Amino acid sequence: EAQVTQNPRYLITVTGKKLTVTCSQNMNHEYMSWYRQDPGLGLRQIYYSMNVEVTDKGDVPEGYKVSRKEKRNFPLILESPSPNQTSLYFCASSSPGQGTHEQYFGPGTRLTVT
Amino acid sequence: RKEVEQDPGPFNVPEGATVAFNCTYSNSASQSFFWYRQDCRKEPKLLMSVYSSGNEDGRFTAQLNRASQYISLLIRDSKLSDSATYLCVVRPPGGYQKVTFGTGTKLQVIP
Repeated sequence: EAQVTQNPRYLITVTGKKLTVTCSQNMNHEYMSWYRQDPGLGLRQIYYSMNVEVTDKGDVPEGYKVSRKEKRNFPLILESPSPNQTSLYFCASSSPGQGTHEQYFGPGTRLTVT
Repeated sequence: RKEVEQDPGPFNVPEGATVAFNCTYSNSASQSFFWYRQDCRKEPKLLMSVYSSGNEDGRFTAQLNRASQYISLLIRDSKLSDSATYLCVVRPPGGYQKVTFGTGTKLQVIP
């Protein structure tokens, strides 16, 4: 089954404790992105990657890091989480070859930083 | 002005009704437009792309008005299962990956 998986799905952590949210897709997509979704602000892009070892900042990259060492994986790293990073996070993948430009989203990770 | 603006709603409509949402965008050079659907606390899913000539998929019709810089989504014969948040998505020129999501319009279809 074609899918994007994220782990963990729910995470409660404390300020300053480094964490990683994993994202993996099995569709051989070149493009992957991370978004955060907050009430009243919608989905905002954090980082995106156009292929292995190619990443770039989205609209709200501060406080986040990413890496793309393999095509299928695109982890999101919070080196020192803060309460303002409490949010719902989505990973997405897509392929320019598809023509529709459809993004496939993972199920989301709900992060709470206390 | 926000890059992409939507009326947050909620739009409460009876089953069988026709409902329309608009979405305005600020960058006149924007190239691609989409409607995504998001059920409560779940991931967004592509509903339909929006083409310049307008397009239809069953009960759903999407239209683009470049002169006035808005896209619309029309849902005919609303079903209870149409209850969701509808996200407008705009791709500006110059980047496949860079898209802007609207904050969404919430639709509640009532029995």
